Amino acid sequence: EDQVTQSPEALRLQEGESSSLNCSYTVSGLRGLFWYRQDPGKGPEFLFTLYSAGEEKEKERLKATLTKKESFLHITAPKPEDSATYLCAAGAAGNKLTFGGGTRVLVKP
Amino acid sequence: NAGVTQTPKFQVLKTGQSMTLQCAQDMNHNSMYWYRQDPGMGLRLIYYSASEGTTDKGEVPNGYNVSRLNKREFSLRLESAAPSQTSVYFCASTTRGQPWEPQHFGDGTRLSIL
Repeated sequence: EDQVTQSPEALRLQEGESSSLNCSYTVSGLRGLFWYRQDPGKGPEFLFTLYSAGEEKEKERLKATLTKKESFLHITAPKPEDSATYLCAAGAAGNKLTFGGGTRVLVKP
Repeated sequence: NAGVTQTPKFQVLKTGQSMTLQCAQDMNHNSMYWYRQDPGMGLRLIYYSASEGTTDKGEVPNGYNVSRLNKREFSLRLESAAPSQTSVYFCASTTRGQPWEPQHFGDGTRLSIL
């Protein structure tokens, strides 16, 4: 059975304190690893797609990386506006998308 | 730039009542999806429509029905609502429904069943 596990469940950071979120996946035939940001009361907003181990993508203070078993979302020098829940999802053969439970990030000024 | 639009945004129902959640996308996407999001459980797929005229069950289809009305619209119906269906419901769409395509989400319908 396909599984995606995110850790930690919650993360409290001081502004400027860099950290990483983990997404471990077990899927048959990974086709894409997705990261989303979700603000309270809103739908998930697409951030990145990673397709193969070793790939990296960046957007502002966020950098996503992928290995054969995990993906990491690095937040460099976070600001309060980076506070959100970050979701990871694995797209596999058979058109199936499996989501992790998310990591709630709170950045305090 | 509306993207994916869901209505209503909030709804409270009594057990046994029925209702339909509406979803429309203006991105000319072929594939559409309905998910539910519950605390600690992540997003779970209820039904999806790979293209106009087709629908398929997802992970948690029991108690729900769907209709792909046309290319733009995909509705989710609860025939006899149960408290276990209290959740936040999200609609999403992709260009062709391929597993390497990111899904684009609406802002959800928050549904409470008493």
